[in-house]
Amino acid sequence: EAGVAQSPRYKIIEKRQSVAFWCNPISGHATLYWYQQILGQGPKLLIQFQNNGVVDDSQLPKDRFSAERLKGVDSTLKIQPAKLEDSAVYLCASSLVGAGNTIYFGEGSWLTVV
Amino acid sequence: GQNIDQPTEMTATEGAIVQINCTYQTSGFNGLFWYQQHAGEAPTFLSYNVLDGLEEKGRFSSFLSRSKGYSYLLLKELQMKDSASYLCAVAGTALIFGKGTTLSVSS
Repeated sequence: EAGVAQSPRYKIIEKRQSVAFWCNPISGHATLYWYQQILGQGPKLLIQFQNNGVVDDSQLPKDRFSAERLKGVDSTLKIQPAKLEDSAVYLCASSLVGAGNTIYFGEGSWLTVV
Repeated sequence: GQNIDQPTEMTATEGAIVQINCTYQTSGFNGLFWYQQHAGEAPTFLSYNVLDGLEEKGRFSSFLSRSKGYSYLLLKELQMKDSASYLCAVAGTALIFGKGTTLSVSS
């Protein structure tokens, strides 16, 4: 069974530029998550989708971050304009619907803002 | 809101037993997860507890006390490859992670 796919794996941009990350979840997983993980910290939930609806985006900095999941499968996370403090790993994860289901992570997209 | 606390760092030697504690406060509880994360890699699932008690899976065990808001991960017969960060995560309305415990295993 294919896992969660993410791209690009690595990205270096200058501050005030924009960047987009793509995620394809495990087939059949209706719930999709984007987490931000800064070095030395645990993952911080940015947004949670169920199918193409948003369940929780309370921690998403909406002035610069946006995410969509138009057809209930793939998702894109965009940052515009980027700040130095956005340097982190952006982890996409997916799970079956329902609380308590195990979430499975992709390998992450490493962002460095210079 | 939710709050999760776990120690920042722990050290142990090969063959030993180590217990990593996690305390949490949450509104709404749908279970507690433990994940392992090696440096530069994504977190991988280790265990899930939703009822009180001990869940054993090979060298790893996880315990939960819902009334105390407390869990621990027990690692037995430590190996060098167990050096990693161990993340406690609580499932409320969303899955929220603690900051992780970095375990260093030495020979």
